[in-house]
Amino acid sequence: DAGITQSPRHKVTETGTPVTLRCHQTENHRYMYWYRQDPGHGLRLIHYSYGVKDTDKGEVSDGYSVSRSKTEDFLLTLESATSSQTSVYFCAISESGTGYYEQYFGPGTRLTVT
Amino acid sequence: QQQVKQSPQSLIVQKGGISIINCAYENTAFDYFPWYQQFPGKGPALLIAIRPDVSEKKEGRFTISFNKSAKQFSLHIMDSQPGDSATYFCAPSKAAGNKLTFGGGTRVLVKP
Repeated sequence: DAGITQSPRHKVTETGTPVTLRCHQTENHRYMYWYRQDPGHGLRLIHYSYGVKDTDKGEVSDGYSVSRSKTEDFLLTLESATSSQTSVYFCAISESGTGYYEQYFGPGTRLTVT
Repeated sequence: QQQVKQSPQSLIVQKGGISIINCAYENTAFDYFPWYQQFPGKGPALLIAIRPDVSEKKEGRFTISFNKSAKQFSLHIMDSQPGDSATYFCAPSKAAGNKLTFGGGTRVLVKP
């Protein structure tokens, strides 16, 4: 397995509370991604990073923010969680953002917003 | 806007049979066509991928067929095994940018 860990692995939180999910990699890959997975939708890109302090939005970025202060860590924050953000969140990494580079996925975080 | 449509949503096949999953896309700028495999409780993992300069690629029991004019590509699993039971996603992308666009997934169950 690629050296990717996600924490926490499971979380239950209440509507309106802030939540931060962490992705940590030991591969020194430049690119990191956050996806959410919902039935029937596959995985959808939330935000991605192409270097320390360099981030950009994906297709479902509303209600989410990210930060990357170190190569190995990529944080996803839900400023005020809503029930529609109940999902499984996956972090992924890749060596490059161009060319035919495989994305390696972490084990996922199951988030429930009540 | 549904850029990538995958079919069927689910598939049951007997051990030794052939599983076929199709993926149709709209964006003609896509130039990288991977299939990812996901087991329950795990993240997806790259299974096989094809570039648009070839029409078919085979790796073991897994084959991708690519039809550029129809904007479709498919995954064939030959001699399906119970260990192939998983969810499969097509995820076409543009090589410049490496942002995958996932299909909705196909849950494959191989019965012994």
